[in-house]
Amino acid sequence: QLQLQESGSGLVKPSQTLSLTCAVSGGSISSGGYSWSWIRQPPGKGLEWIGYIYHSGSTSYNPSLKSRVTISVDRSKNQFSLNLRSVTAADTAVYYCARRDIYSNYLDYWGQGTLVTVSS
Amino acid sequence: QSALTQPASVSGSPGQSITISCTGTSSDVGSYNLVSWYQQHPGKAPKLMIYDVIKRPSGVSNRFSGSKSGNTASLTISGLQAEDEADYYCCSYAGSNTLEVFGGGTKVTVL
Repeated sequence: QLQLQESGSGLVKPSQTLSLTCAVSGGSISSGGYSWSWIRQPPGKGLEWIGYIYHSGSTSYNPSLKSRVTISVDRSKNQFSLNLRSVTAADTAVYYCARRDIYSNYLDYWGQGTLVTVSS
Repeated sequence: QSALTQPASVSGSPGQSITISCTGTSSDVGSYNLVSWYQQHPGKAPKLMIYDVIKRPSGVSNRFSGSKSGNTASLTISGLQAEDEADYYCCSYAGSNTLEVFGGGTKVTVL
């Protein structure tokens, strides 16, 4: 059974960089047919795509966040990461990692989510 | 990148059927049969319930069904049960430049 687990700092100061890692177990991040995604959910609000990375390393980002986001993959550790620069309080959210089917674009396996608070 | 439009809340009694709508545009829902639905209980990660508009993943109850007409997709829950009380989100592919777009979410209450 595939499992995803987010980790990283739960508190980030304004203007700094939010960094999270998603460890994948029970399957290979290099498997064809999938991309690896980040989604976030501000407290009490809905879901928002951040972006995703294919096993090849190519990426796609939400246009509204593109200038601040980098998603990378470490195949040797079977994990992928999110960096979000110049954060503000509006970036406070639960951040989820998930596996995305590249043909039908659905998210079938999710991490449990991690709350990141942006505050001084 | 505008969110898809969902009703804020829908309610029904046990055993009844309810339908949640998800309205997009000709650039997303109307152009692609790539609509998925997710169920989210409080404090939990979303769970995939429907993909490709009408398909159910293995293990999802057949009480859940999806459909689409024009720019609007719908999720129907039949035989409503207490465990169905949750938030539901639709999601549609919107082209290579826009990425995917989520709906604002619908809170389902079982009366």
